[in-house]
Amino acid sequence: QKEVEQDPGPLSVPEGAIVSLNCTYSNSAFQYFMWYRQYSRKGPELLMYTYSSGNKEDGRFTAQVDKSSKYISLFIRDSQPSDSATYLCAMIFPGYSTLTFGKGTMLLVSP
Amino acid sequence: EPEVTQTPSHQVTQMGQEVILRCVPISNHLYFYWYRQILGQKVEFLVSFYNNEISEKSEIFDDQFSVERPDGSNFTLKIRSTKLEDSAMYFCASNKAKGSRNEKLFFGSGTQLSVL
Repeated sequence: QKEVEQDPGPLSVPEGAIVSLNCTYSNSAFQYFMWYRQYSRKGPELLMYTYSSGNKEDGRFTAQVDKSSKYISLFIRDSQPSDSATYLCAMIFPGYSTLTFGKGTMLLVSP
Repeated sequence: EPEVTQTPSHQVTQMGQEVILRCVPISNHLYFYWYRQILGQKVEFLVSFYNNEISEKSEIFDDQFSVERPDGSNFTLKIRSTKLEDSAMYFCASNKAKGSRNEKLFFGSGTQLSVL
């Protein structure tokens, strides 16, 4: 059973749209959740980190975790062309330092 | 902002050859990692390194792989006898502190390894 599932996209939206990116996971032992952004030919860059169910907001970005459904989301408000990138969800078990990544969703925001 | 630096950005090698991928982690970081991403696949954990020894490794990190911190700044990944399936983007990462909160992990821009 795959641990972390993410729709690869691409997801194409016009500038200004609200974007919703999602991940599901199978192992309820995951306790910490992250969203990374990866531009082409660059390493992943941490966007959001959360460890509890509910919402966490940072500027235009909101991370949402539903542990009962094993479902996490990233919302981007007022999307910009500069948001065009691949968004990776990542998870971690308590006491460990290694990340388990989803495959990533490619987002394209057109001006 | 401080950066993790990786060299070279692209490495081409023949199957069976040894390669060394180099990384300079952020200077005050203590934990170092290698991840890899095969084209079209997930970013996968290879190994973590702390206090001059491996702290965790994945199934991918077999006897063909080794890591070293030869001096105070460099962190290297060696593949002894490359195989075609080792072709991937290899990312080095570092952070200040291990732990469940996995404080911000900084990734380098990666080395694209192509094994012919």
